[in-house]
Amino acid sequence: GQQVMQIPQYQHVQEGEDFTTYCNSSTTLSNIQWYKQRPGGHPGFLIQLVKSGEVKKQKRLTFQFGEAKKNSSLHITATQTTDVGTYFCAGPQLLNTGNQFYFGTGTSLTVIP
Amino acid sequence: GAVVSQHPSRVICKSGTSVKIECRSLDFQATTMFWYRQFPKQSLMLMATSNEGSKATYEQGVEKDKFLINHASLTLSTLTVTSAHPEDSSFYICSAYDRDTQETQYFGPGTRLLVL
Repeated sequence: GQQVMQIPQYQHVQEGEDFTTYCNSSTTLSNIQWYKQRPGGHPGFLIQLVKSGEVKKQKRLTFQFGEAKKNSSLHITATQTTDVGTYFCAGPQLLNTGNQFYFGTGTSLTVIP
Repeated sequence: GAVVSQHPSRVICKSGTSVKIECRSLDFQATTMFWYRQFPKQSLMLMATSNEGSKATYEQGVEKDKFLINHASLTLSTLTVTSAHPEDSSFYICSAYDRDTQETQYFGPGTRLLVL
């Protein structure tokens, strides 16, 4: 089954509203990465978090890595139409067979002007 | 940032034919390249990890003989879909690790395959 889940799957917001997507892993992640995929495009790297409890900001985007390194969140303040796309978290899970890299299920964001 | 290219961007082929997709890192050396498959409105599914100079590591459920991966140099990896069938129609994306940073995957623009 899917190892890294994201909620919500879809989110529609009015421009100017805030948006948050949550990422939950079944096991501990060595690090967490976030990607944005614009409609019809390919994923682009946003950021990587490594430390437990780490918080990083990029302008209106705030990324957080949970204390247990099993969950993460991406929060966008005052969304703009340019924020439209699907946001994926991803990271390596440490398994008995070694590291396994998983992408989350993704959250598709629609911003209504 | 680093640039990864893929060729072709789109390909339409007849059922039973083989299709080769190239993934190149243009301005950095990639010791590791990844191949993903993405169905419409779904997440990326890792197919295999390709290490330069060695055999690729395939994920569970991915047929090695059907999806041939070659990583002959530090800037080029190829994925060959052999005897393609309509169910192989998908969006194939590669990504590459910059050997200097080993932190960030840089994604190619993807190849859309349609098998008739």
